Amino acid sequence: GESVGLHLPTLSVQEGDNSIINCAYSNSASDYFIWYKQESGKGPQFIIDIRSNMDKRQGQRVTVLLNKTVKHLSLQIAATQPGDSAVYFCAASTSGTYKYIFGTGTRLKVLA
Amino acid sequence: DAGITQSPRHKVTETGTPVTLRCHQTENHRYMYWYRQDPGHGLRLIHYSYGVKDTDKGEVSDGYSVSRSKTEDFLLTLESATSSQTSVYFCAIREGGGYNEQFFGPGTRLTVL
Repeated sequence: GESVGLHLPTLSVQEGDNSIINCAYSNSASDYFIWYKQESGKGPQFIIDIRSNMDKRQGQRVTVLLNKTVKHLSLQIAATQPGDSAVYFCAASTSGTYKYIFGTGTRLKVLA
Repeated sequence: DAGITQSPRHKVTETGTPVTLRCHQTENHRYMYWYRQDPGHGLRLIHYSYGVKDTDKGEVSDGYSVSRSKTEDFLLTLESATSSQTSVYFCAIREGGGYNEQFFGPGTRLTVL
C-alpha cells in the first residue's frame, strides 16, 4: 500500500548547525506535501508545504526540497536552535482526494 | 492550534464502556478528520467528514463511529472501548480539497484499562 517513510528515527545536531530531515513517499501520484513539527504533548504544527510543480520552497529558516524522480523530499533547518527540538514528519497527499499519508517521524535533538 | 479544541484532553476509562471525544472548530472549515497516533506508526486516519452529516471511513475505522451535526463539531465515539484503543487522538481540519494544509488540535490522550 501507499507509504511515507523517514530515513532516520533520531537526528542529533549541534546548536547553530543546519539540520536535514529526509522523507520518502511511494505514490507517484502524490502532488502535495507538508512538513509538520510536533513537540511533546502537543498536536502537529504546520511548518511548510510544497506542491509537485515546485522543487524548492523556502520559509523562515526552513527549506523544503522535492525530488519527484526518486520520490524524496527533505526539510532543511538553518541555524538549528534548542526550540527546534521536536519530532518532524512529512505528509503526502494527492489533490482531489481527502487523504494524507503520514510518516512516522524523526526526532530532532539539538545539542548545546 | 488554528481554532481547534478537543475535549476531554485526558481520559481514563474501562474496557467495555462507551467513550465520546469531541472536536470543535471556529474556522468554518469544510473537512474534519480524526486520527490516532501510536508509537511506531504515523498518524492513522480513523474517519473524516466532508460536510455536515457527510462522513466516511479511514484506514482504522473498526470500533469507531463519528457524527457531524454542525459544521463546527465532529464527534468520535468508541461504542465499547478496548485496550487496543488506548492512544492519542487528534482532530484536524482542512478548508477545502486540493492544496490545503491540515491543522491539528491539541490531542486527547485516552487510556483504556
